[in-house]
Amino acid sequence: GAVVSQHPSWVICKSGTSVKIECRSLDFQATTMFWYRQFPKQSLMLMATSNEGSKATYEQGVEKDKFLINHASLTLSTLTVTSAHPEDSSFYICSASGETGGEAFFGQGTRLTVV
Amino acid sequence: QKEVEQNSGPLSVPEGAIASLNCTYSDRVSQSFFWYRQYSGKSPELIMSIYSNGDKEDGRFTAQLNKASQYVSLLIRDSQPSDSATYLCAVHNFNKFYFGSGTKLNVKP
Repeated sequence: GAVVSQHPSWVICKSGTSVKIECRSLDFQATTMFWYRQFPKQSLMLMATSNEGSKATYEQGVEKDKFLINHASLTLSTLTVTSAHPEDSSFYICSASGETGGEAFFGQGTRLTVV
Repeated sequence: QKEVEQNSGPLSVPEGAIASLNCTYSDRVSQSFFWYRQYSGKSPELIMSIYSNGDKEDGRFTAQLNKASQYVSLLIRDSQPSDSATYLCAVHNFNKFYFGSGTKLNVKP
């Protein structure tokens, strides 16, 4: 399958600081990227969907001012967790799809711990 | 109502048996369906995709789709302990990619 690279794989930050997570499609053009959050032993929760060059579409209950998503090119999307708090600690995963209705491939995930 | 529903399990099967995983979806116009496998602490990996009614086989895996019943299933033949994981059903509708909560499968040696 196609390769999606997510960086960093883990990060520890202090409460009140911001953290940026990158998601890159390495061998295909990702017209759509998805960002998920997963708490331990829970399912993937879709946070937002982003299309290259457009504003992200956030799911209900997700604060767009806290979770800033940028999809500036067909191979890169970033998620910035602003003013992080301990309750934001979670496993954040991106996925990318190259065509409408097609398969989505996942990055390795980023484990964020806010202390 | 959730977009994608799965039985959370756990589903336990002996090694060598057939594991049957089921999924229902709510949006009748859904066109693309996928099964992912997720090991604990890891990202999901794609196992199967299916787009039309009927069966699709790939090695030990068979995906089945019934759009009239809004039902998708995954059969794993000759189950191995390494198949023990959480299996996620996913539906791709236009610009949304939703997952079920996953079914945990335990294959006992």
